[in-house]
Amino acid sequence: EDQVTQSPEALRLQEGESSSLNCSYTVSGLRGLFWYRQDPGKGPEFLFTLYSAGEEKEKERLKATLTKKESFLHITAPKPEDSATYLCAVQATSWGKLQFGAGTQVVVTP
Amino acid sequence: EAGVTQSPTHLIKTRGQQATLRCSPISGHTSVYWYQQALGLGLQFLLWYDEGEERNRGNFPPRFSGRQFPNYSSELNVNALELEDSALYLCASSPNGGNTEAFFGQGTRLTVV
Repeated sequence: EDQVTQSPEALRLQEGESSSLNCSYTVSGLRGLFWYRQDPGKGPEFLFTLYSAGEEKEKERLKATLTKKESFLHITAPKPEDSATYLCAVQATSWGKLQFGAGTQVVVTP
Repeated sequence: EAGVTQSPTHLIKTRGQQATLRCSPISGHTSVYWYQQALGLGLQFLLWYDEGEERNRGNFPPRFSGRQFPNYSSELNVNALELEDSALYLCASSPNGGNTEAFFGQGTRLTVV
């Protein structure tokens, strides 16, 4: 059965304390893996798309990597404005839809 | 360029009533996705429309339905509302149903009382 699992569920960081979020997936035929950021009560904001193992993408303090079974979102020297829920989603070749993980809630304190 | 727009922002309905939610995709996008996000839960896939056709449907009862218009905007209808239908309903659009990223609107908060 196709699955997307994110860990940890919640992460509390001090400002400047780098960390990584994990997204493991089981899907038959990966078309793409997507990372989103969601603030409370708002729609998810697109961050990255990764298509093949070994691919990396960067945006400001965020860096996403992809292997054949998981993806990591690295947050380097986070700031309080990086506080949000980070969502991972996969798109299989047979679906079209995006299947989301439950998300990792990140809180960065000054 | 305008993003995905959803209306209304908030909607309060009584149990048993019908709700209609609307979505306008980004200009040039032909695919529209609908998701339900209940409080504290993840995004659950509802429906996917592309080029006016329903392409895929999530594990929801038939009282959740929708359509896509010739201008690619979309409507989600929820009949016979139940209390557990209270959630944030999110619409996303993408240039097509292929391997391209989807961009989300701000959602419609539906409250069933």
